[in-house]
Amino acid sequence: AQSVAQPEDQVNVAEGNPLTVKCTYSVSGNPYLFWYVQYPNRGLQFLLKYITGDNLVKGSYGFEAEFNKSQTSFHLKKPSALVSDSALYFCAVRRDRGSTLGRLYFGRGTQLTVWP
Amino acid sequence: DGGITQSPKYLFRKEGQNVTLSCEQNLNHDAMYWYRQDPGQGLRLIYYSQIVNDFQKGDIAEGYSVSREKKESFPLTVTSAQKNPTAFYLCASIGTGEAYNEQFFGPGTRLTVL
Repeated sequence: AQSVAQPEDQVNVAEGNPLTVKCTYSVSGNPYLFWYVQYPNRGLQFLLKYITGDNLVKGSYGFEAEFNKSQTSFHLKKPSALVSDSALYFCAVRRDRGSTLGRLYFGRGTQLTVWP
Repeated sequence: DGGITQSPKYLFRKEGQNVTLSCEQNLNHDAMYWYRQDPGQGLRLIYYSQIVNDFQKGDIAEGYSVSREKKESFPLTVTSAQKNPTAFYLCASIGTGEAYNEQFFGPGTRLTVL
């Protein structure tokens, strides 16, 4: 079975400090991993994805994520947080084979708050 | 929210009524999805469709129904059998053939039962 865990419901960080939002996954086969961001009462916006290749993936708005196969993790990072980064972040995984190739499995989300 | 529209943005329903949420996409995507979002529970899959005239139940399909008569449209009906329908509903789509493509999401519909 496929699943995603986001162990922290909330992450609080001061503006200008680095931030990390954690994600671990379980999937049969090779994983395709995604991060999305959601602002209040809006749909999800795609941030970045890992498919293959370099374990460090760069995405929108200065975010990056590191794929670690041995730890089955895909943590989201940013070197210097902005107040405008405050939002709900979702990690998702898809397996690379099977009849429902498009289906994503989401974590429960992590609320990031960046205070001035 | 990239080529997917959902309407209405807010919807109020009386108990015992069926309501239909609209989802339309102009991305020429084959696969479409409906999710329900509740605080602290992430996104849960209700139904999905990988091709016209075909759809499958997701994890929480009870009390919901869908149709897929056109590639562009995937409406969701919340029936009176759904015991707790108040939630934020999100529609998404993806092009087929490429499992590594990201899903595109609509702006969502917030349903409130009065």
